Amino acid sequence: QVQLVQSGAEVKKPGASVRVSCKASGYTFTENAMHWVRQASGQRFEWLGWIFTDSGVTKYSQKFQGRVTITRDTSATTAYMELHSLTSEDTAAYYCARGFQGTFDLWGQGSLVTVSS
Amino acid sequence: DIQMTQSPSTLSASVGERVTITCRASQSIYKWLAWFQQKPGKAPKLLIYEVSKLGAGVPSRFSGSGSGPEFTLTISCLQPDDFAIYYCQSYDDNSLYTFGQGTRLQIK
Repeated sequence: QVQLVQSGAEVKKPGASVRVSCKASGYTFTENAMHWVRQASGQRFEWLGWIFTDSGVTKYSQKFQGRVTITRDTSATTAYMELHSLTSEDTAAYYCARGFQGTFDLWGQGSLVTVSS
Repeated sequence: DIQMTQSPSTLSASVGERVTITCRASQSIYKWLAWFQQKPGKAPKLLIYEVSKLGAGVPSRFSGSGSGPEFTLTISCLQPDDFAIYYCQSYDDNSLYTFGQGTRLQIK
């Protein structure tokens, strides 16, 4: 079954970091880039960045540059997104999504990250 | 950065109706325009990519058209399962991805 399965919900304090994982199965992991997108409640989606899963090369949105790190473990067919220096404005559902023709054809189920003191 | 503006924000319609949602890009995005459907608590589902190509398993009542800067998603005969939020999404020359603000399609 082709799917992306993400790690569970997290609650973090302001200033902390969070790491979300995304396990791919049912397809060749290194054939597609993996993206990370977030959606705060009632807001539009925001793209954070991507990783070329074969080479490990990354590209980040300028808004999150310096605060987000995307990595992957090809042997585990898993991608990771780490976001640092969290504030309440980072409270959102975070999704991994497989890259396809300028868009995303397969999404994880989402991981809710709540930042609260 | 590119801005993607959807209209309307909310659309009320009945089962069997034909509806159209519009997305306008602030800069040229060539063919890189996609549409997603999202239901409460769920991840988005890809409906249309490259302006008019149907995603895997997507019913043929969904169609996309347009050229810069205005693009449209049409649902030809609304089904009960179609009431959801719809988003457009672009990809630009700087390898950046931008979403519209969403259109809520609700039952009239």
